[in-house]
Amino acid sequence: ETGVTQTPRHLVMGMTNKKSLKCEQHLGHNAMYWYKQSAKKPLELMFVYSLEERVENNSVPSRFSPECPNSSHLFLHLHTLQPEDSALYLCASSQDDRGSAGELFFGEGSRLTVL
Amino acid sequence: AQKITQTQPGMFVQEKEAVTLDCTYDTSDPSYGLFWYKQPSSGEMIFLIYQGSYDQQNATEGRYSLNFQKARKSANLVISASQLGDSAMYFCAMRERDFNKFYFGSGTKLNVKP
Repeated sequence: ETGVTQTPRHLVMGMTNKKSLKCEQHLGHNAMYWYKQSAKKPLELMFVYSLEERVENNSVPSRFSPECPNSSHLFLHLHTLQPEDSALYLCASSQDDRGSAGELFFGEGSRLTVL
Repeated sequence: AQKITQTQPGMFVQEKEAVTLDCTYDTSDPSYGLFWYKQPSSGEMIFLIYQGSYDQQNATEGRYSLNFQKARKSANLVISASQLGDSAMYFCAMRERDFNKFYFGSGTKLNVKP
């Protein structure tokens, strides 16, 4: 199995739909992240969970709702999205302790299109 | 101020030649880490190389090396003997002492010509 797995890989949804993105990491890491990547923009950090507690929320609209039930799983619940939310959503994990470099390991991303 | 600056939106290199991708960073933390990632068209971000702020030697990983100039706050990626499979977006990133602060640059699109 790959280290970080994201499903679905592609998602098309209408503005009134509710859907969820799922991320699972098999690396034993203690932190997980959601990033948004839009065309011609740097990666935007959306949410960070460390030891299953949310520690960072960079003013993300409430139509995005994260959930981290345990250290291996991370969800991004989506509802009433806008067309400008169409992007690649990347999940990542890392081991956050002073003994490691703390590099992020990414999944392959979920390509979201909002009609 | 931007934390990570990549000034080359796109680069071309001939196959088998070396190429340098530029990255400058801005931090007042004495302890930080610098990273390079590769993103092929498939979308996955692939970790390439890491340099710690206290490391005395430049990091190397196979054909990748990081030219770390601390006083100039630069962390350029050097790819030797370019291959067609190296064509991708490359992102420079930095993590500060607070492990939740992980910043990415805007990326450089590298095209390797046969």
